[in-house]
Amino acid sequence: SAVISQKPSRDICQRGTSLTIQCQVDSQVTMMFWYRQQPGQSLTLIATANQGSEATYESGFVIDKFPISRPNLTFSTLTVSNLSPEDSSIYLCSVYEIGGYTFGSGTRLTVV
Amino acid sequence: AQKITQTQPGMFVQEKEAVTLDCTYDTSDPSYGLFWYKQPSSGEMIFLIYQGSYDQQNATEGRYSLNFQKARKSANLVISASQLGDSAMYFCAMREGQKGAGSYQLTFGKGTKLSVIP
Repeated sequence: SAVISQKPSRDICQRGTSLTIQCQVDSQVTMMFWYRQQPGQSLTLIATANQGSEATYESGFVIDKFPISRPNLTFSTLTVSNLSPEDSSIYLCSVYEIGGYTFGSGTRLTVV
Repeated sequence: AQKITQTQPGMFVQEKEAVTLDCTYDTSDPSYGLFWYKQPSSGEMIFLIYQGSYDQQNATEGRYSLNFQKARKSANLVISASQLGDSAMYFCAMREGQKGAGSYQLTFGKGTKLSVIP
């Protein structure tokens, strides 16, 4: 199965700033997903990022707040913009390949 | 309606005992897949076991087995011989739709926090 390197593993950011999270996959994958996990909660899908097309956002998530880049089949970034304390969460990327889904190790974001 | 329901926010189990974590799902799609993941306090998501809707037998992976009751729309995870390292959050998730069509996204339940007692 694919191996995903997700960076940074954690960060503390000032409100109003932005954080960009990177996911590097060791193989080419078509479908990549970005999730948010708020404290004590389950995973909520932010968007699906397929190479060569615009990301598809779920209800409640907008491109201006969560811009996504998917320049090739092994890499993607998620930016969380104009940070507020409510954005404090774990953010995870995931890829689908035959056999199932693999997740990055997560980015724990704290906004102060 | 929730697509994945996990009714046990928290569970305790004695070390070396077996424990069942409940999961019910809701879908009208005849083709779907059910997954269980473990999330330790470190935050990573660890895949445990998978059950396809057309699979005739219950899935097993080492100490993990899935009690799949299709008519009842339940997919309970059974962990045998619990170990201290099993203490974590456990999430049930579902993918709907056939390959090449539909969505490949996963929908997660709210999770169950399992604590293994020495």
